[in-house]
Amino acid sequence: QKEVEQDPGPLSVPEGAIVSLNCTYSNSAFQYFMWYRQYSRKGPELLMYTYSSGNKEDGRFTAQVDKSSKYISLFIRDSQPSDSATYLCAMSGTFGGGSEKLVFGKGTKLTVNP
Amino acid sequence: DTEVTQTPKHLVMGMTNKKSLKCEQHMGHRAMYWYKQKAKKPPELMFVYSYEKLSINESVPSRFSPECPNSSLLNLHLHALQPEDSALYLCASSQDPRTGSYGYTFGSGTRLTVV
Repeated sequence: QKEVEQDPGPLSVPEGAIVSLNCTYSNSAFQYFMWYRQYSRKGPELLMYTYSSGNKEDGRFTAQVDKSSKYISLFIRDSQPSDSATYLCAMSGTFGGGSEKLVFGKGTKLTVNP
Repeated sequence: DTEVTQTPKHLVMGMTNKKSLKCEQHMGHRAMYWYKQKAKKPPELMFVYSYEKLSINESVPSRFSPECPNSSLLNLHLHALQPEDSALYLCASSQDPRTGSYGYTFGSGTRLTVV
């Protein structure tokens, strides 16, 4: 079992739809949870960051963390064609030596059609 | 300055060449990372530097040699690479290597092709 599981899609939705992206994880050492957006041939861009269970909202984006179920979600409201990208969940924790390690899910490729 | 800058953006090298990738950040971050990303795959961790000291090496072949000259700079020295090493190499930094606070900032990457 991989540490972080994410459905790679692809996911195709019409403009204005609500998009739901999810990841599950197995290692309780993960403490910080992130969502990155990556456009083709670019580096990942941090969208959302959270460290506690519950919801965090930023504009059209809501990140949800359920540590008891080891499950995180990203919701995108009123999706736009410019949201078309690969969305990567990522999580970090301290593993031996006191240093951080960031582990990514496989990424979900999202296309928002005009 | 809230960026991680990587140079060069593109690099083509032969299997007998020696080259270096460079990464720079001026955000005062004390942890820096090298990741390798193949097409349609997530980034995979290679090395972690914490307070300019190598703290994690994810069993990377010795043909990749990292160096952290100071808290703002990170290099990746390449020698005798194989075609399968062709990938996007990403540098990232985070504020505090002990807590991972505030997430990681990634550069745009160096697209490396080994011929």
